[in-house]
Amino acid sequence: AQSVTQPDIHITVSEGASLELRCNYSYGATPYLFWYVQSPGQGLQLLLKYFSGDTLVQGIKGFEAEFKRSQSSFNLRKPSVHWSDAAEYFCAVEKNNDMRFGAGTRLTVKP
Amino acid sequence: DGGITQSPKYLFRKEGQNVTLSCEQNLNHDAMYWYRQDPGQGLRLIYYSQIVNDFQKGDIAEGYSVSREKKESFPLTVTSAQKNPTAFYLCASSPRTGGYGYTFGSGTRLTVV
Repeated sequence: AQSVTQPDIHITVSEGASLELRCNYSYGATPYLFWYVQSPGQGLQLLLKYFSGDTLVQGIKGFEAEFKRSQSSFNLRKPSVHWSDAAEYFCAVEKNNDMRFGAGTRLTVKP
Repeated sequence: DGGITQSPKYLFRKEGQNVTLSCEQNLNHDAMYWYRQDPGQGLRLIYYSQIVNDFQKGDIAEGYSVSREKKESFPLTVTSAQKNPTAFYLCASSPRTGGYGYTFGSGTRLTVV
């Protein structure tokens, strides 16, 4: 069955530190890949997406993600985290018009 | 500005009642979606529509109904048959299916009282 896994339920980082959120997927072929962010009580906002081509994609708010076919991964990174980045992050994959979301990773930023 | 408007933001339902959640978009998107979000479970698809007057069941359609009479509108009715309706409901849209990503509304929190 197709699935999206975010192994980390909750991550805490210090402000200014680097961040990496993990995402693995299980699909027969490379799907479309997305990262979304959700602030409490709000909807989701698209951070970035991967279709094909360059495996390192840039998004909004200084985020980037790297697609690794061999590892079926699409990890989200940010070099220096700001307090305003505290939120929940969702990885999503789409194949054959079917979008699947991971369970999310909650990010806490320490001062 | 274009976007998706969900209303109301908070909704309270008594046992046995049907309630309808509104979702309106002015993005000229063809496809619209309804998701249910529960803590620790991510998003689960309730219904989706790729074109006016057509919609498909998602993974958890039981106890819900939708209509798509206009391109801009995709209301969700939570019926009395839905035994555990307390959740956060999110509406989304995309230009069409296939790799465009979704634009989400700000959600409706439904609570059974």
